[in-house]
Amino acid sequence: EPEVTQTPSHQVTQMGQEVILRCVPISNHLYFYWYRQILGQKVEFLVSFYNNEISEKSEIFDDQFSVERPDGSNFTLKIRSTKLEDSAMYFCAGRPGLAGDQTIQYFGAGTRLSVL
Amino acid sequence: SQQGEEDPQALSIQEGENATMNCSYKTSINNLQWYRQNSGRGLVHLILIRSNEREKHSGRLRVTLDTSKKSSSLLITASRAADTASYFCATVLYSGNTPLVFGKGTRLSVIA
Repeated sequence: EPEVTQTPSHQVTQMGQEVILRCVPISNHLYFYWYRQILGQKVEFLVSFYNNEISEKSEIFDDQFSVERPDGSNFTLKIRSTKLEDSAMYFCAGRPGLAGDQTIQYFGAGTRLSVL
Repeated sequence: SQQGEEDPQALSIQEGENATMNCSYKTSINNLQWYRQNSGRGLVHLILIRSNEREKHSGRLRVTLDTSKKSSSLLITASRAADTASYFCATVLYSGNTPLVFGKGTRLSVIA
């Protein structure tokens, strides 16, 4: 069964450094998302992406964040200058369409980002 | 505003018992979904119920939706130790490119 793959599974970085989190969505999916989950808290939406552009972003997704899908396969989240409060699990998700059961999202296993 | 608030926050039961988790939300929705998360892992979709449906079953799962009360419940019957996980409801506000809005989740522990 196809799955969403995220790498790395754990990323440790120093405050102020740039990180890139990578995702390979399921091949027939068209809509892509990044979410984050701070330890013990709810899953929060960061950004949605369709047709090579951002569709919607939350207040969390400030100028330090960017996303791209450079090659039609990988979907990346970049944090330019990490802060301590960026420490969280970051999940990539995708879905094939817009209506009914196509609103079900398929999640990767996540990247745990630890900012020291 | 908060959307998809579950209760209880934590639930501990014996294997074989039923587990009921509740979710409330604030705005009109297109559908409501339940996801499961094993510790430190990604979310796995369990079941979707549309706004015009009142009840849905899938295996040992039963979901109800009451749009007048803006609430949903997830019942897991005959629980197993392997059901131990966190369970989240997530709402889809409209049909379109809309993100899932998650609640805080219920941590279910099933004791063998």
